[in-house]
Amino acid sequence: QVHLQQSGPGLVKPSQTLSLTCAISGDSVSSNSAAWNWIRQSPSGGLEWLGRTYYRSKWYYDYAISVRSRITINPDTSKNQFSLQLNSVTPEDTAVYFCARAQYNDYFDSWGQGTLVTVSS
Amino acid sequence: DIQMTQSPSTLSASVGDRVTITCRASQSISSWLAWYQQKPGKAPKLLIYKASSLESGVPSRFSGSGSGTEFTLTISSLQPDDFATYYCQQYNNYWTFGQGTKVEIK
Repeated sequence: QVHLQQSGPGLVKPSQTLSLTCAISGDSVSSNSAAWNWIRQSPSGGLEWLGRTYYRSKWYYDYAISVRSRITINPDTSKNQFSLQLNSVTPEDTAVYFCARAQYNDYFDSWGQGTLVTVSS
Repeated sequence: DIQMTQSPSTLSASVGDRVTITCRASQSISSWLAWYQQKPGKAPKLLIYKASSLESGVPSRFSGSGSGTEFTLTISSLQPDDFATYYCQQYNNYWTFGQGTKVEIK
């Protein structure tokens, strides 16, 4: 049974960097079948996939076009976790952020608990 | 991008009712569709994958059907625990979600 535990600040100032971490138990960030994703939910409820990382003999990264210039997702094999960094945030980045596992290109079968991040001065 | 459109946005129903939610894709996604249930303050929970496959542990009153561009989620007899928001999601080409359907008490 996989468990994803998120951590990170809930308040970020405009123009600064949003940073969140997702610790994995019950699976490996280096799994050859899983992909590790970040998804966010706006205050109005809309869900948006942001990006993913996965390992298939080497590390791969995919990012949504809407955030591609500002996002970085990094695996940390020593701690079995992965992270999200979103640069130059604005109030429009205020959302609940979720980490989630997918079996490669499939649906999201395990989710973190969610972190509300508010962008405000 | 593949757009996903759900209807209705809100549905009022009573315990025991049969409930159907529709999801339409802007282009064919074969059967690469999942349904999730979300309750306030919680993460989405996977109910159905590959349009009609029931996730382990999900009650059999939930069922999914469809292929191509039109899909449905049916709850055969609505239970008190089922009042929530439901989202469809395509995974044919990256991942996009419908806007959600809130099932509320009538």
